[in-house]
Amino acid sequence: DMKVTQMPRYLIKRMGENVLLECGQDMSHETMYWYRQDPGLGLQLIYISYDVDSNSEGDIPKGYRVSRKKREHFSLILDSAKTNQTSVYFCATPLSSYEQYFGPGTRLTVL
Amino acid sequence: AQSVDQPDAHVTLSEGASLELRCSYSYSAAPYLFWYVQYPGQSLQFLLKYITGDTVVKGTKGFEAEFRKSNSSFNLKKSPAHWSDSAKYFCALEGSNTGANTGKLTFGHGTILRVHP
Repeated sequence: DMKVTQMPRYLIKRMGENVLLECGQDMSHETMYWYRQDPGLGLQLIYISYDVDSNSEGDIPKGYRVSRKKREHFSLILDSAKTNQTSVYFCATPLSSYEQYFGPGTRLTVL
Repeated sequence: AQSVDQPDAHVTLSEGASLELRCSYSYSAAPYLFWYVQYPGQSLQFLLKYITGDTVVKGTKGFEAEFRKSNSSFNLKKSPAHWSDSAKYFCALEGSNTGANTGKLTFGHGTILRVHP
C-alpha cells in the first residue's frame, strides 16, 4: 500500500520564526502537491512539484517556498511565518491517473 | 478561470434516507470532476471521478455521481445513507486544458453531512 507521511503532525511557532514542513512518499511518484485547508474553505493549492528541482506555483504561493531534492521528499518552507499562515497543510501525490492520495496533514499554529 | 460551488454548507438527514450533495462548476472546456470525503480529524480520501464517457460514475463506499453538462453539475448520491457517512465532502475540478493529469485541482468549500442514526 502506498504511504504518504508528513512531519511534524502538529507544530506551534511564533510569528517571524521559520517553519519547515516535510512530506515523504514511498512510491517514487514524480508529482507531489502542497495544499492548505482553512475552516469553512476547501483546499487551496500552494505548490506543485513535477520532479526533483521542477516546481511550479499553485494558486496561493505567496509567503511559501518549496524544495524537492529527492523524488521521495517534498518540503514546504515558511520564511518568517505569519499568523495568517495558521492552517492545516496537506501533502498529496497521485495514486493513479487523476486520483490524488493525501497525507495525514500538519496542523500549524503561528502565534 | 475555473470554480466549484457547493451551495450547501450543511446537510442533515436520517439514516436510511437518500442523500444528494450538490456541486456546480464553472469551466469553459470539458472538466475532470472529483468527489473527496474527509472524516473528522482525518485526511481526504478519494471517492469517485468523472473524466469522460458514462455520465453516471460509481465510486467507493456505495456512492455515485451524475455529470450533467446542461447545468454544469456533478451531484453526489447515495441511498440509503448510513450514520457512518457523516463527514465533510468536497467536490473538485481539474481543467482538461491545463495539460493531461497536472493535478491542479480547484476545490469547493465542502458540505458537512450529518446522518442521524
